Amino acid sequence: ETGVTQSPTHLIKTRGQQVTLRCSSQSGHNTVSWYQQALGQGPQFIFQYYREEENGRGNFPPRFSGLQFPNYSSELNVNALELDDSALYLCASSPGGGGRANIQYFGAGTRLSVL
Amino acid sequence: AQKITQTQPGMFVQEKEAVTLDCTYDTSDQSYGLFWYKQPSSGEMIFLIYQGSYDEQNATEGRYSLNFQKARKSANLVISASQLGDSAMYFCAMREPYNNNDMRFGAGTRLTVKP
Repeated sequence: ETGVTQSPTHLIKTRGQQVTLRCSSQSGHNTVSWYQQALGQGPQFIFQYYREEENGRGNFPPRFSGLQFPNYSSELNVNALELDDSALYLCASSPGGGGRANIQYFGAGTRLSVL
Repeated sequence: AQKITQTQPGMFVQEKEAVTLDCTYDTSDQSYGLFWYKQPSSGEMIFLIYQGSYDEQNATEGRYSLNFQKARKSANLVISASQLGDSAMYFCAMREPYNNNDMRFGAGTRLTVKP
């Protein structure tokens, strides 16, 4: 158990809808990263939040947005859902800093299906 | 450009034997971190081992060791005394702290341990 929890575990939406995924970081971790993992592929970095500010972003369109709250929990919002957004969405937290503080601990993920 | 390359889509190993999973990476940075994660069918990414680019010794964590060859840009994972529970997808990843904070993952290797 990593202490990183994600909700919901599964979600079914239709094309064009909006979705919000939630993540509670491990105690003491101020950095949260989000990843999209399509079936049969490795995770792809969406963005990272550090102390409530976006701290890096991957190659995802603006309809993917996020928030981090003062308790370091985080949300991922996706607008105007497309069929290709169907994937496992993983959240990871880390203490922040260099060296071993870079190690990210993952939650179990939210599986999103877009119909 | 592909940053992380895992050339073995699938590997088989006999229980109690050792196995090496290959990973090569591409970076022009001097400072970076290398990670291996295990992903069982449940979906959660489990951290296994970390190697910093400035670490002179190869990292070890229990039955896992990382064969770090910096000049060759390789970071192979060695699992000793394989167990049936080691059957899973294994991902190699690299983080470049001065490059957008993202963590790049390889395509993964599916390891199957035979009894």
